[in-house]
Amino acid sequence: GEDVEQSLFLSVREGDSSVINCTYTDSSSTYLYWYKQEPGAGLQLLTYIFSNMDMKQDQRLTVLLNKKDKHLSLRIADTQTGDSAIYFCAVRSGGYQKVTFGTGTKLQVIP
Amino acid sequence: NAGVTQTPKFQVLKTGQSMTLQCAQDMNHNSMYWYRQDPGMGLRLIYYSASEGTTDKGEVPNGYNVSRLNKREFSLRLESAAPSQTSVYFCASRPLTDEQYFGPGTRLTVT
Repeated sequence: GEDVEQSLFLSVREGDSSVINCTYTDSSSTYLYWYKQEPGAGLQLLTYIFSNMDMKQDQRLTVLLNKKDKHLSLRIADTQTGDSAIYFCAVRSGGYQKVTFGTGTKLQVIP
Repeated sequence: NAGVTQTPKFQVLKTGQSMTLQCAQDMNHNSMYWYRQDPGMGLRLIYYSASEGTTDKGEVPNGYNVSRLNKREFSLRLESAAPSQTSVYFCASRPLTDEQYFGPGTRLTVT
């Protein structure tokens, strides 16, 4: 089955850019997602990218996809303290019901 | 719209006790899901229901049962709780062509 890997922790200073990375194994993956989870809350979809795209930008968020290396990244520009959360990469493959989540990266923003 | 709601928010059980986690959505979504979230393991799919009247096993179904009572409601039952089932449980729903919407979670501790 699909494996989705993320580093567990990232710390950045307020105002800097954050880059959260994700790798996956299934080359037939179709949709790739980034979710945000704030403390004590459920997951909220931030953005997603189709597998036939290389990049997607949405305000402060930039998603980059390298299909050859099966690598997905989420860049947050001008990181704010309100961006502190756990960020999950998720990948859809093998049918629309099958979504595999990564372990989540906890982003700590230092004022 | 309330979105996806879950009850209870917190629960403590003794080993061997049973309980049902409730989930409801008011968005007229076809598919509903139950996940568990454990530290360092991301979200793992327990069961899902692609439509009213159908349910299927996910990645970690052992020790759980589900009921898709109607289009709105999808419940998760633990017949004989074990300490390994201590986790945070998330329900999610999804329309045909859009992405998953998550509930706020139920934090379950089994002693």
